[in-house]
Amino acid sequence: SQTIHQWPATLVQPVGSPLSLECTVEGTSNPNLYWYRQAAGRGLQLLFYSVGIGQISSEVPQNLSASRPQDRQFILSSKKLLLSDSGFYLCAWSVQEDQPQHFGDGTRLSIL
Amino acid sequence: QKEVEQDPGPLSVPEGAIVSLNCTYSNSAFQYFMWYRQYSRKGPELLMYTYSSGNKEDGRFTAQVDKSSKYISLFIRDSQPSDSATYLCAPSEGGGNKLTFGTGTQLKVEL
Repeated sequence: SQTIHQWPATLVQPVGSPLSLECTVEGTSNPNLYWYRQAAGRGLQLLFYSVGIGQISSEVPQNLSASRPQDRQFILSSKKLLLSDSGFYLCAWSVQEDQPQHFGDGTRLSIL
Repeated sequence: QKEVEQDPGPLSVPEGAIVSLNCTYSNSAFQYFMWYRQYSRKGPELLMYTYSSGNKEDGRFTAQVDKSSKYISLFIRDSQPSDSATYLCAPSEGGGNKLTFGTGTQLKVEL
């Protein structure tokens, strides 16, 4: 069966520091991968999605970037965090056909 | 107008009640309709997945889609305290691709 792992679960970072969040999927090949941010009282906002290694589409212009160095690995990064980057970051995967997305347990990021 | 709208709640019901959770949407191109359950501090968990209009039942859960009125419902029968969570509707034009999430309805089932 397929599983998705995200780490860390919680992160507290100072303003201006770099960020690296990692997501890996097991049990499937060539999945679609997604990064979302969920702010309190708001819906999930799609940040990036990837249909293959090195292929990244950005949905929202911002201070973040994403990379997919391996088939089942998706990384969310920032060079300098802003206060507005605080939130709950979720990684998800889906197969490339008409199947729904499955989420990891997220990283709660607080910027001080 | 938001593309997907949900009443945020909170909705509080007694154990054993029938719960009705609803979404409206504006994009007539949506073909796939998903419901996710999200417990506090956890990622969303897929609950129901339907294609086009009609009903789908899975245990105590029934998903209903009316594309003519752009209205999506999730019914929970015999609600349990373990059903207390936020429920997100997420329609899509194409299955596993871009989902558009509602803000979620918070449900509390009380003993």
